[in-house]
Amino acid sequence: GQNIDQPTEMTATEGAIVQINCTYQTSGFNGLFWYQQHAGEAPTFLSYNVLDGLEEKGRFSSFLSRSKGYSYLLLKELQMKDSASYLCAVTDSNYQLIWGAGTKLIIKP
Amino acid sequence: NAGVTQTPKFQVLKTGQSMTLQCAQDMNHEYMSWYRQDPGMGLRLIHYSVGAGITDQGEVPNGYNVSRSTTEDFPLRLLSAAPSQTSVYFCASSYKTSGANVLTFGAGSRLTVL
Repeated sequence: GQNIDQPTEMTATEGAIVQINCTYQTSGFNGLFWYQQHAGEAPTFLSYNVLDGLEEKGRFSSFLSRSKGYSYLLLKELQMKDSASYLCAVTDSNYQLIWGAGTKLIIKP
Repeated sequence: NAGVTQTPKFQVLKTGQSMTLQCAQDMNHEYMSWYRQDPGMGLRLIHYSVGAGITDQGEVPNGYNVSRSTTEDFPLRLLSAAPSQTSVYFCASSYKTSGANVLTFGAGSRLTVL
């Protein structure tokens, strides 16, 4: 079967750095997405990785290792507004998105 | 630019009632889809469409119907509501169906079936 695993919840301190991991087992691979979802709102796109390596976008970076079926989202200089759920999703061989259950990130002052 | 518009935002139904969730996008996106989001689970695809006149089933299609008569609109119909359909529903669209298929989501519709 197809499976995406990410931690259910993480806590971090304002100003610090946090890494949210995502491991996947899917039938084929055509890219990995990270979305941010604030409570009661819609998911919004953060990043897309299809090749191995690190993609940096301001305070957010996303890493992919296809051979290990592994990705992480790195958030630097955490702000209170970063409190949200972070969703990992993989595009399989049929270009269908398989979603993880999301990681709820709690930022403390 | 409105993006993806979903209505209603909240709805309470009784078991057996039917209703339609509306979704419209003004970005000329080919691909449209409906997801449900339940606590502790990833988004699950209900139905999707790759263009006007074309629809297909996703992971959890039972109890739902869709149609795509225009590029802009993609309504989701609940035929006979059941408590198991209590969920938050998201409509999402994108420009194309493969590759870096970045989805734009509607604001969501919270449905409760009693």
